[in-house]
Amino acid sequence: NAGVTQTPKFRVLKTGQSMTLLCAQDMNHEYMYWYRQDPGMGLRLIHYSVGEGTTAKGEVPDGYNVSRLKKQNFLLGLESAAPSQTSVYFCASSRMGQGASGANVLTFGAGSRLTVL
Amino acid sequence: GEDVEQSLFLSVREGDSSVINCTYTDSSSTYLYWYKQEPGAGLQLLTYIFSNMDMKQDQRLTVLLNKKDKHLSLRIADTQTGDSAIYFCAERANTGFQKLVFGTGTRLLVSP
Repeated sequence: NAGVTQTPKFRVLKTGQSMTLLCAQDMNHEYMYWYRQDPGMGLRLIHYSVGEGTTAKGEVPDGYNVSRLKKQNFLLGLESAAPSQTSVYFCASSRMGQGASGANVLTFGAGSRLTVL
Repeated sequence: GEDVEQSLFLSVREGDSSVINCTYTDSSSTYLYWYKQEPGAGLQLLTYIFSNMDMKQDQRLTVLLNKKDKHLSLRIADTQTGDSAIYFCAERANTGFQKLVFGTGTRLLVSP
């Protein structure tokens, strides 16, 4: 089992360029998430998805778009990259849903480091 | 709203115990978690505790939960250099989507 795989691992962009980060999970998880990690700020939720074909905004959604066309994939897009989007991006997935009992354990990918010049 | 706070840095000597502290604001949180992030890697779940428990032990790890003070701690016994990492506390909100809210992370440095 690969778990959660993110591509690419590293990317350098110029301001205004666009790109897509791909997240793939092979655990048949319903829920998928995109976080960004910045020094001294921990992880902040960008967007999430509760199932195929559905997405929702997290804490810091501005400047990002997402799509979940297939259950196993969750794409994060930057239409016009800005230096403020320089960060490490983590994708995660989980089985548990809203209102479900039990711990909602997230499985994380290894991260994608994005630099916007 | 939910907020989780941690100190940013902790330094200990190999063989000592480490205690990483966390405070949270959502008194209705159902689960609280500790995740570990090694350099260049994603977060991995270390352990979690249900809100009706006050202690959980798992080998070298002890989690203490004080619900009255909304305080969570992670104790690592006999700390090893391989324990050097960033440790994140997280709470599971009990409203809406029940998302996880992460703290800023505590960087643990273990010196020989």
